[in-house]
Amino acid sequence: DAMVIQNPRYQVTQFGKPVTLSCSQTLNHNVMYWYQQKSSQAPKLLFHYYDKDFNNEADTPDNFQSRRPNTSFCFLDIRSPGLGDAAMYLCATSRGTGGVPGELFFGEGSRLTVL
Amino acid sequence: GNSVTQMEGPVTLSEEAFLTINCTYTATGYPSLFWYVQYPGEGLQLLLKATKADDKGSNKGFEATYRKETTSFHLEKGSVQVSDSAVYFCALSDVDTGNQFYFGTGTSLTVIP
Repeated sequence: DAMVIQNPRYQVTQFGKPVTLSCSQTLNHNVMYWYQQKSSQAPKLLFHYYDKDFNNEADTPDNFQSRRPNTSFCFLDIRSPGLGDAAMYLCATSRGTGGVPGELFFGEGSRLTVL
Repeated sequence: GNSVTQMEGPVTLSEEAFLTINCTYTATGYPSLFWYVQYPGEGLQLLLKATKADDKGSNKGFEATYRKETTSFHLEKGSVQVSDSAVYFCALSDVDTGNQFYFGTGTSLTVIP
């Protein structure tokens, strides 16, 4: 059974039209991450939540926002998508309880196309 | 800072061939090291990990040893199968950087019958 679920799997939007991607988890993990993955590149961390604490990467554009209304859900909002934002967006979770880093659990990703 | 450098692909091997995918890292602290695999159309999933120097991670016939002296974590498998065709990512995470994960660029492996 899937433990990290992303919706939608495929999203097509128009240039400048806001889009929201969702992620839910059944693992009760403290930490939720959003990564952007472009073709043939490493996943790039956009931001993560440790419980309710939001941690933004310094180079994440302001166009990208996130919300975590509760432990189970996290959303990625792209306010005005540009052509360069077309990518696979990966949600991941980890326990984040300190000590040795635990593994990341990934969803299957949401592929965004911008027309 | 922390970074991972991974062998570039794509790699194409015949079934039952020996596989090595090189991975080296730079870290300020004492990271944990991971190999993730991404099968076509799926998300990343953990293949194996090692949390301290000289640890060997293993799973599904794959192995990697945490070598602090050479800052490496090379992935090996003695006999690959068609079902191993996927993209492999080396990654590190360090408690000193808030458990953030740093990924290599990925190596695409295709195994042909």
